Amino acid sequence: DSGVTQTPKHLITATGQRVTLRCSPRSGDLSVYWYQQSLDQGLQFLIQYYNGEERAKGNILERFSAQQFPDLHSELNLSSLELGDSALYFCASSVTDRGYEQYFGPGTRLTVT
Amino acid sequence: DAKTTQPPSMDCAEGRAANLPCNHSTISGNEYVYWYRQIHSQGPQYIIHGLKNNETNEMASLIITEDRKSSTLILPHATLRDTAVYYCIAVNFGNEKLTFGTGTRLTIIP
Repeated sequence: DSGVTQTPKHLITATGQRVTLRCSPRSGDLSVYWYQQSLDQGLQFLIQYYNGEERAKGNILERFSAQQFPDLHSELNLSSLELGDSALYFCASSVTDRGYEQYFGPGTRLTVT
Repeated sequence: DAKTTQPPSMDCAEGRAANLPCNHSTISGNEYVYWYRQIHSQGPQYIIHGLKNNETNEMASLIITEDRKSSTLILPHATLRDTAVYYCIAVNFGNEKLTFGTGTRLTIIP
């Protein structure tokens, strides 16, 4: 158990819909990272927040957005969903903003039908 | 970040040492080598990292060659629970992201 929690564990929704994935980092960690893992793309970095502020952006689509709240939990919002958005979405946390020793949550499996 | 090259798959007998190689011939002087693993659809797990000295922790040992162009992750007594995809990543601390490649799928055989 990494100490990072993600909800929900599974999510099934239809194309065009919007969903919100939630992540709670390990106690004391200030950075939260979001990753997408699909079968054909591997593990892709999406975005990082540090202490409430966006710190780095990866291959995140404009239809996707994220935020980190004052209690340090984070939400990833996915809108106008397409079939290709079906993937595992992982959240990770680290103590600092240069945290390469990251602790990953169990992931949310999103299926878009 | 420097590109890393790993064999796509390896087998190792249970109880033996698993030696996973990684080539990073273009690594720069300030890039660290990080290892993660991912056990079947679980979140990746940090294993170990190093710059130029060999490192050991409770999970594994990391041997980095003197010229830093390659490294080897050693799991000293592999168990069935070590079956996973292992990722070797070269990290420049000026860059805020981890870039995962395709890794090595390690299968521990009973």
